[in-house]
Amino acid sequence: AQKVTQAQTEISVVEKEDVTLDCVYETRDTTYYLFWYKQPPSGELVFLIRRNSFDEQNEISGRYSWNFQKSTSSFNFTITASQVVDSAVYFCALSERRTGFKTIFGAGTRLFVKA
Amino acid sequence: DAEITQSPRHKITETGRQVTLACHQTWNHNNMFWYRQDLGHGLRLIHYSYGVHDTNKGEVSDGYSVSRSNTEDLPLTLESAASSQTSVYFCASSEGTLVSYEQYFGPGTRLTVT
Repeated sequence: AQKVTQAQTEISVVEKEDVTLDCVYETRDTTYYLFWYKQPPSGELVFLIRRNSFDEQNEISGRYSWNFQKSTSSFNFTITASQVVDSAVYFCALSERRTGFKTIFGAGTRLFVKA
Repeated sequence: DAEITQSPRHKITETGRQVTLACHQTWNHNNMFWYRQDLGHGLRLIHYSYGVHDTNKGEVSDGYSVSRSNTEDLPLTLESAASSQTSVYFCASSEGTLVSYEQYFGPGTRLTVT
């Protein structure tokens, strides 16, 4: 079954700390995509990154980095030197080819960054 | 600039009434989706469409319906609103069918059923 688990419900850090948000997924498909979205307090959902199952290269974008490991079915997201503006709910999501690429979202991790 | 809009942004209705939430996108995307967001559940898929006249049920489709008569719009109808349908509803769109692309989300509609 297609499933995404974000075990951390809430994380609280102090500004400038590094923080990692965990995402574990389950799939029986060989072709799938993983996503991270950010939902700031204003409520809109913003796309951050997409990875396909054939590309395990880690990615860095500024203070954000993503670690994709098929061996552990994980797609973790790290924010380096966190800032107050990073406070948001972060969702990990999975879509599989065999379901027509329907997207399943994890429950989300709420990140509080305190000044 | 292309965008995806939802209306109304807030709605209060009574149990048993029919309610329609509008979603309009100008991305010219084939794919459109409706989700509901509830605390502890993330976003759950209600219905989705891969093109005009195509509609499909998601994981929580009971009590909801959609129709797709053009590329730009996917209205969501609650046939007979129930208190369990109090939620925040998000519409989204994406391009492509052979590859999974990121979704662009509307601002959400907060629905309260009393």
